[in-house]
Amino acid sequence: GQQLNQSPQSMFIQEGEDVSMNCTSSSIFNTWLWYKQDPGEGPVLLIALYKAGELTSNGRLTAQFGITRKDSFLNISASIPSDVGIYFCAGRGGAGNMLTFGGGTRLMVKP
Amino acid sequence: KAGVTQTPRYLIKTRGQQVTLSCSPISGHRSVSWYQQTPGQGLQFLFEYFSETQRNKGNFPGRFSGRQFSNSRSEMNVSTLELGDSALYLCASTVDHSTDTQYFGPGTRLTVL
Repeated sequence: GQQLNQSPQSMFIQEGEDVSMNCTSSSIFNTWLWYKQDPGEGPVLLIALYKAGELTSNGRLTAQFGITRKDSFLNISASIPSDVGIYFCAGRGGAGNMLTFGGGTRLMVKP
Repeated sequence: KAGVTQTPRYLIKTRGQQVTLSCSPISGHRSVSWYQQTPGQGLQFLFEYFSETQRNKGNFPGRFSGRQFSNSRSEMNVSTLELGDSALYLCASTVDHSTDTQYFGPGTRLTVL
């Protein structure tokens, strides 16, 4: 089946720093999505990408759909304590056009 | 507009029992997907329902089943529970199966003893 490799698995940064995480796949995806999950809650959609090369921003968040359609990255600028959580990438494609999730990046921000 | 609701939020069962989880999608949403989330395996797709029909199914044994009602509410059932079924079960709804913007509920935390 399709596999999504998400890195890094965890990050511990200082408040104000920029953050970058990415996902790579051995398969082509038609859509890339980025979610954030807070403890005890379900994932919340942050950014959706639909075209290769697409660069989309949502406040301090910026994500890009890789040209090869096999990767995507998410950047967070000027991190703040409420950015703490687990960030997931997800790609849609393949048989059944199902959504496949990456393993998540746990972000910790030190005030 | 109310979000996706899932009941119960927490559940404790013993091996061999069966369990039914419920999901009410956002009003007007007709597609519901279920996911299992565990620390080891991450988020794994279980199945997707649209207009009371199962459209997609993930790689889970037949002990896992689901259904969707005419009002778009969905239930999933796990029979003959195993210890490894302990997980957070998440439900997500979308307007229809062609839309990528899924809205997740808070999940049901199932513990199997």
